[in-house]
This record gives sequence, structure tokens and C-alpha cells, in this order.
Amino acid sequence: NAGVTQTPKFRVLKTGQSMTLLCAQDMNHEYMYWYRQDPGMGLRLIHYSVGEGTTAKGEVPDGYNVSRLKKQNFLLGLESAAPSQTSVYFCASRIMGGNSPLHFGNGTRLTVT
Amino acid sequence: AQSVTQLGSHVSVSEGALVLLRCNYSSSVPPYLFWYVQYPNQGLQLLLKYTSAATLVKGINGFEAEFKKSETSFHLTKPSAHMSDAAEYFCAVSSPQGGGNKLTFGTGTQLKVEL
Repeated sequence: NAGVTQTPKFRVLKTGQSMTLLCAQDMNHEYMYWYRQDPGMGLRLIHYSVGEGTTAKGEVPDGYNVSRLKKQNFLLGLESAAPSQTSVYFCASRIMGGNSPLHFGNGTRLTVT
Repeated sequence: AQSVTQLGSHVSVSEGALVLLRCNYSSSVPPYLFWYVQYPNQGLQLLLKYTSAATLVKGINGFEAEFKKSETSFHLTKPSAHMSDAAEYFCAVSSPQGGGNKLTFGTGTQLKVEL
């Protein structure tokens, strides 16, 4: 049982380059989320999805786009990377219901130079 | 709007001593509250959650937390710290209202356990 899998684990980009982070979950969860983690700032929500074909903005959506074409996958795209997007990115999923816990992937460490 | 505040970004205890990590929340409706733990280079793992069934919640690895509505707090405790408890701990709040049941995280508390 893989749970939540994120690829890649590490990536270095130059300013202006683009990339896509992939999140896959095998738990049939409805809800999926992308967070970024920065020192001293905890986790901040970038975008989320409450079901296949739906996405919504979180707390810090600027500079990112997402897609959820299949229920098990949630993609995070950076169209033109900036140094301010250097961070650790976490994907998470959960079943419906506010009291259900998030299941996290192991993160993608992105550095933009 | 919902938010959590974790007092103390770094806490240091001796092995065998009491662990107390503080979390205060703000929510316009009765919230769901969570504690997560993050070990180096890993994702977050659920320690415990409060969902209104009982105010004292027991979690994994000997941790527990008590929901105190009058103090809007959900502090995490463990009677006796172990070296393996060294990690970063996050408090989070979720509201029953609003789409997506988004979790809002605190800024985290790094726990150091010394011999």
C-alpha cells in the first residue's frame, strides 16, 4: 500500500523554467491538497481539490497552477519559476469530512536559482 | 476564519521529563483539531485528533492532548520524553464549514530531547 507518492523527490530549476510536480494516491480519497513548507512558516495551502475535475485556490496560489484530471492524481505546475518558490512541497489527501486526517507524501524539495 | 498559534518555535527537554507543546486556536465554530509530527526528510504523520467525542485525546507514542474550550487551547503532552520524540510538531485546525474542509497549520514547534 503506497499511500501518497510524490515525484520527483528533488529538483533544481533556473529562474524562468517550468516544471510539474506529480502526486498520486491509491486510497480512493476525494480531497487532495498541495502545501508548501518554509522555515518558521509552517505549512501553507497552495491549491486543493474536492474531486476529479475540480480545483480551488488556497492561501498562497500565485505562481502555481493545478489539475486533477484523474481522481488519484493531483498535479502542481510552476509556469515560470522564481527563487521565492524555493521550498519543500507536500501533497496530501483525505476522505470527505472535516474530521478526517490528512495523509501526506514525503515531499519534493525544490530549489530555484 | 480559523487559525492556530503555537507558542515556542523550539522546546528542549531532558530525556524522561514532561513534554508540553502549546497550541491555541481560533475558530468561529467548534473546530476539529489535530497534532501532527514530522521527522527529518519525511512527510507529516497524524499523532492524534479531537472531534468533540472526548476532551482528552490519546494518540500514538504516548502523547495526549486536552481540548479546553474556555482557554481555546489544545496542548500536547507526554509524561516522559524519549530520544526518539525529537521531531517537529504541528497543530492544525479544520472547520466543519466551508468547502474542502481545509486544514490550517501552526508554524510548528521543534522538540529537542537531551540526555
